[in-house]
Amino acid sequence: SQQGEEDPQALSIQEGENATMNCSYKTSINNLQWYRQNSGRGLVHLILIRSNEREKHSGRLRVTLDTSKKSSSLLITASRAADTASYFCAIISGNTPLVFGKGTRLSVIA
Amino acid sequence: KAGVTQTPRYLIKTRGQQVTLSCSPISGHRSVSWYQQTPGQGLQFLFEYFSETQRNKGNFPGRFSGRQFSNSRSEMNVSTLELGDSALYLCASSLAVNRGSYNEQFFGPGTRLTVL
Repeated sequence: SQQGEEDPQALSIQEGENATMNCSYKTSINNLQWYRQNSGRGLVHLILIRSNEREKHSGRLRVTLDTSKKSSSLLITASRAADTASYFCAIISGNTPLVFGKGTRLSVIA
Repeated sequence: KAGVTQTPRYLIKTRGQQVTLSCSPISGHRSVSWYQQTPGQGLQFLFEYFSETQRNKGNFPGRFSGRQFSNSRSEMNVSTLELGDSALYLCASSLAVNRGSYNEQFFGPGTRLTVL
């Protein structure tokens, strides 16, 4: 399956702590993207990392990619209650469109 | 720029009926994709249109169809609705520069379809 698989399925942390989510996949990829979804709403693009990149930053977000292990991680530093959402990784492989994983549900407790 | 808009936002139908959902992409975006999201199956790709042509199709029955107009607006249609079609239907547009590129997707708020 080309689907990315996020781990853990659910994560609960205190405000101010860091949150780390992982994504594993099985095929070679062109790029990998992370999205956030607040309850019942559309997804919001967070970061795109290409297969020849190892790390990208955007504000409090840090994404790493290890193509040898076929895995990526999303780190949210100094989390806030507003970060409570589901986070999805999506892989792009060849000419196929985005394939999403089941997501990680993050709860940040104030 | 205005974001991706989807209409209607909520819809209630009964089994056997058909439904048409509409999506207006961000101005200048030529690629429009549709996804079905359910608690059990997660986000599943339905199909993608690029310049009025279906570029990719997911593993859904023929009851699910779509089209894209010359202004990039897209519609999807589900005929002979089943209870299992109850889901959040998400549309996303992308500034795909050519047929082989898949970049950042911009999602609409979704249409919540309930089939009774």
